[in-house]
Amino acid sequence: DAGVIQSPRHEVTEMGQEVTLRCKPISGHDYLFWYRQTMMRGLELLIYFNNNVPIDDSGMPEDRFSAKMPNASFSTLKIQPSEPRDSAVYFCASSHGYSGANVLTFGAGSRLTVL
Amino acid sequence: SQQGEEDPQALSIQEGENATMNCSYKTSINNLQWYRQNSGRGLVHLILIRSNEREKHSGRLRVTLDTSKKSSSLLITASRAADTASYFCPSGANSKLTFGKGITLSVRP
Repeated sequence: DAGVIQSPRHEVTEMGQEVTLRCKPISGHDYLFWYRQTMMRGLELLIYFNNNVPIDDSGMPEDRFSAKMPNASFSTLKIQPSEPRDSAVYFCASSHGYSGANVLTFGAGSRLTVL
Repeated sequence: SQQGEEDPQALSIQEGENATMNCSYKTSINNLQWYRQNSGRGLVHLILIRSNEREKHSGRLRVTLDTSKKSSSLLITASRAADTASYFCPSGANSKLTFGKGITLSVRP
C-alpha cells in the first residue's frame, strides 16, 4: 500500500480564495482524521470520520471549513473563503479502529500558505 | 481537555547519549502511543503500550507506563542524529486522539 496520500503537497493562495485539500486513506481503514499543525497551537484535530460518516467536527474552527468523505477512498477538506490565519500544515490520517487500539497512519501533509 | 503534558518541551543531547521524554495524561486509557515527526514530514507511529503493561521495548526504544500516576516515559538509547525529531504521546478516548505540541529532541553529532 502506498500509505495515506494527500494532495496538493504545497498550496499558496490569496486571501478569499477557495482551497480544497484531498486525502486518500489506506485501503481497508475505516477511520479518517483531519489535523492542522501550527507552531502556536501544535497539532489540532479538526474532524474525523468513521465508515465515511462524520463523527466529531468540534475542532472545525468555523463555518468556512467543511469536510466530506463521499466514499471510503476519498476525503476533502475545503476552506472557503481562506484567510491568512488558515496558513498551516494540514494532515490526513487513517486507521483501522478496533477496541483497545487506534494506530494512526499519517499522510505527508499539505502545506497551505494564504497571502 | 483530554490532553496532558509533555516534558521537557525541548531536549538537546550528544549522539550516543540516552534521551528520556515524559508525558502525562488526564483520562483513563486503554493504551498509550508514541509518535515521531521528522522535520517536514507526517507523524509516524513508534510504539503502543497497553494499560495492563508496565514496560515495552522495541529496538532502541523503551516505553514505560504508570497508570496510577497517569504518566509514561519514552527512552531512546544510544541516540543517533537521525533521532532528531519531535515526539508526541497523544491521549484520548473513543478513537479520538488529541496531540500536544510534542517534545523536540535534537541529537548533536
